[in-house]
Amino acid sequence: DTEVTQTPKHLVMGMTNKKSLKCEQHMGHRAMYWYKQKAKKPPELMFVYSYEKLSINESVPSRFSPECPNSSLLNLHLHALQPEDSALYLCATQGSDGYTFGSGTRLTVV
Amino acid sequence: AQSVAQPEDQVNVAEGNPLTVKCTYSVSGNPYLFWYVQYPNRGLQFLLKYITGDNLVKGSYGFEAEFNKSQTSFHLKKPSALVSDSALYFCAVRALGGGQLTFGSGTQLTVLP
Repeated sequence: DTEVTQTPKHLVMGMTNKKSLKCEQHMGHRAMYWYKQKAKKPPELMFVYSYEKLSINESVPSRFSPECPNSSLLNLHLHALQPEDSALYLCATQGSDGYTFGSGTRLTVV
Repeated sequence: AQSVAQPEDQVNVAEGNPLTVKCTYSVSGNPYLFWYVQYPNRGLQFLLKYITGDNLVKGSYGFEAEFNKSQTSFHLKKPSALVSDSALYFCAVRALGGGQLTFGSGTQLTVLP
């Protein structure tokens, strides 16, 4: 988990707040992913970045806005979220040896 | 479309006994198969993967998995379970030629002392 670092580990936000999740990797992987995971369920793909360009958006609501400033960083900007958006948000990278996941950000929307 | 089935939501096994967590898959072409483990409030930790080669793949923490092409299965095994193996296990598949990772629904493994 330490090769893909996600901050913060926990976040509580109100429905009118704006916050951001951060993911950082130094593995040189050029594909980066955001997943949303509800308790006891498999991760659901949200966004895919390939070579710093958004390549897949799995019909995610616009209140989630991804950004890839450089090859090491991936952000997820959050605005006007709903309580049902409360979940574990996972970042992952893909290299020739497979997929590496971060420890996630536990988000609670109140 | 590709898919993964983990037929058991819950597997209970006594400590010291062998364990098996089942996974079957469907994908176009050759599969790229993975097992991940997730402890409470943590991310997914890689256990092992199969691309090509030997059907028996050895991974982390004493786990292994057997690839069976005819049965399209990739069951996870361990000869002697530990209480610390209790966690949520996910099987995942991707077509070897590319595409996205598809996860199974997960199996909660409980090892009883």
